[in-house]
Amino acid sequence: EVQLVESGGGLVQPGGSLRLSCTVSGFTFHNYWMSWVRQAPGEGLEWVANINQGGTETYYVDSVAGRFTISRDNAKNSLYLQLNSLRAEDTAVYYCARDVPVSYLDYWGQGDLVTVSS
Amino acid sequence: SALTQPRSVSGSPGQSVTISCTGTSSDVGGYNYVSWYQQHPGKAPKLMIYDVTKRPSGVPDRFSASKSGNTASLTISGLQAEDEADYYCCSYAGDYKVFGGGTKLTVL
Repeated sequence: EVQLVESGGGLVQPGGSLRLSCTVSGFTFHNYWMSWVRQAPGEGLEWVANINQGGTETYYVDSVAGRFTISRDNAKNSLYLQLNSLRAEDTAVYYCARDVPVSYLDYWGQGDLVTVSS
Repeated sequence: SALTQPRSVSGSPGQSVTISCTGTSSDVGGYNYVSWYQQHPGKAPKLMIYDVTKRPSGVPDRFSASKSGNTASLTISGLQAEDEADYYCCSYAGDYKVFGGGTKLTVL
C-alpha cells in the first residue's frame, strides 16, 4: 500500500522558518518525481514545487521561488520542503504527492498545516 | 495564473453534470496533460482523470472528460450522493503545474 506521511508543520511567526518532511512507503521512492502542493484555508489547490528522482532538477511556483527549497533523501525515502521568510499568505495545508512528470499527481499524503502568524 | 472553473454546480441523483476548466494556449490548450482531482472535506485530493481523458484504475466510468481548445471538461453521469465534493482541474504549463480554482459539486 502506498503511503505518504507529512510532518513538521505548526505555528511560526512571520519571517520565520520551518522544514516539512514527507516519508513514503509502498513504492520505490527513488524512481519517482515528487511534488509539494498547498491549500490555504477555504481556498483551492496551488502547486508549489517538484523535484526529480535524483534531486538534481527542481522547479518552483513564482510566489515561493527563492524562499522555499525542495529536497529529498532517497536513502531515507523522504521528501523535504524548507520554508524560509514565511509570510501570512503561506498559511496552508501542505501536501506531498507522487509526481508523474508533466502529467499528474497520483498519490497524496494527508497534509500538514503550516500557520504563519504573530 | 489559476485555471478558471465555475465556483459551483449542482445536480440531482441520476443526472449528469459537467464542470468546465478554462486556461490558455500556454497550459490547457498547449498540452494534452489535464488532470482532475476530487476532494472531500478534510481529505486529500484524489486523482480522477489524467492525460485529458484517462481514468485510473478504480475510478468509476461515470467519470469522463474531454478537451477542446483551451477548455477542458469533466462530466459525471448518474450522479450519486458520494460524488458531492470539490473538483479541481490541473494542467501542465511548462516546467510547472497549474490548478483551477475548484468547483463545489452539490448533489441535491
